[in-house]
Amino acid sequence: KQEVTQIPAALSVPEGENLVLNCSFTDSAIYNLQWFRQDPGKGLTSLLLIQSSQREQTSGRLNASLDKSSGRSTLYIAASQPGDSATYLCAVTDSWGKLQFGAGTQVVVTP
Amino acid sequence: EAQVTQNPRYLITVTGKKLTVTCSQNMNHEYMSWYRQDPGLGLRQIYYSMNVEVTDKGDVPEGYKVSRKEKRNFPLILESPSPNQTSLYFCASSLSTGVGYTFGSGTRLTVV
Repeated sequence: KQEVTQIPAALSVPEGENLVLNCSFTDSAIYNLQWFRQDPGKGLTSLLLIQSSQREQTSGRLNASLDKSSGRSTLYIAASQPGDSATYLCAVTDSWGKLQFGAGTQVVVTP
Repeated sequence: EAQVTQNPRYLITVTGKKLTVTCSQNMNHEYMSWYRQDPGLGLRQIYYSMNVEVTDKGDVPEGYKVSRKEKRNFPLILESPSPNQTSLYFCASSLSTGVGYTFGSGTRLTVV
């Protein structure tokens, strides 16, 4: 059974610092990996999608890498801002199209 | 605007009173699914549908029903809600397996 782990569970950084969020998964037979952002009590916003054949994806200040063979992905957020405060979730899609989520990393960026 | 729409956003109901949470997508997506999110347990899949009239159980299907009569709609039915179904529910859709998901805004359900 696929298990997705996110470390750390919580992270607090001062504004301007770079954020590094980690995600690991146990079964490398995935279609893709998706990073989401969730604000308290709100829905999930897709940030980046990395196909299994890709090594990384970039969007603005966000960069996500994928090492499928070792079962790891890292989300980098450059020059963090208070508006980046949220919970970040990674999810892998298995061969049945099912999303398996990690528990999330709660990020606080202090001004 | 391409989106997944869930209704209602908030619902308080009593034990045993049947309810339906609707989900509709306007992107002609084939794949739709329902998740619940609970503190400490994360997001867990309830049911999914790979196409019209094709549905299957996810990880936590007990106490729920779904139907997929049309491509755009995937309602979640609680025939006899119980307090342990108090949760935040999300509907999601995807064009096909291997393509990213779009999530609805969520439905916060409280069963008293």
